[in-house]
Amino acid sequence: DGGITQSPKYLFRKEGQNVTLSCEQNLNHDAMYWYRQDPGQGLRLIYYSQIVNDFQKGDIAEGYSVSREKKESFPLTVTSAQKNPTAFYLCASRDYSGQGLGELFFGEGSRLTVL
Amino acid sequence: GEDVEQSLFLSVREGDSSVINCTYTDSSSTYLYWYKQEPGAGLQLLTYIFSNMDMKQDQRLTVLLNKKDKHLSLRIADTQTGDSAIYFCAEIGDNDMRFGAGTRLTVKP
Repeated sequence: DGGITQSPKYLFRKEGQNVTLSCEQNLNHDAMYWYRQDPGQGLRLIYYSQIVNDFQKGDIAEGYSVSREKKESFPLTVTSAQKNPTAFYLCASRDYSGQGLGELFFGEGSRLTVL
Repeated sequence: GEDVEQSLFLSVREGDSSVINCTYTDSSSTYLYWYKQEPGAGLQLLTYIFSNMDMKQDQRLTVLLNKKDKHLSLRIADTQTGDSAIYFCAEIGDNDMRFGAGTRLTVKP
């Protein structure tokens, strides 16, 4: 089945450690996105990529890094520079071909907790 | 802050209708969307409306769009406990996507 897979579902990190969240899609979508969700708040855009080997900062990119070496994959690294990393992270992809509605497809999320 | 605005909470009794409201900003969006998020999960597309439409009905769901006032609403008829979730409205343009903060719907038995 086509979809977006995020892993791990739950992740615990000690302060000062970098962690990488995985996001893989087999929908053949060009665009991929990372959002952060905090309790009672909406989605805030961290980074996005519209094409392989290119990505752009979103509204809250500080303390995060990404790569887009393959169309299917868009990993997010939460670095030690991110002061408040405990949150729920959502990856999404989008089809720009004009064939569909143009909506975002979301993964099931990864919950990061800093101990 | 968000340009798309929603009230944060809504509580209804099982069997009643729920109405979730949203105001948006970009009148050039081709589609407007409603997403549903269950606890600890990602967002699932619930329904959408084409910007040239005033209303769309899909089983228990009715979407109303008032382009003049930039107001979008989602009505859930005969609300069930399984409808308890967070509902996000979203406007998605070519290069920009904006989500509301989400409305947490609680359905009481």
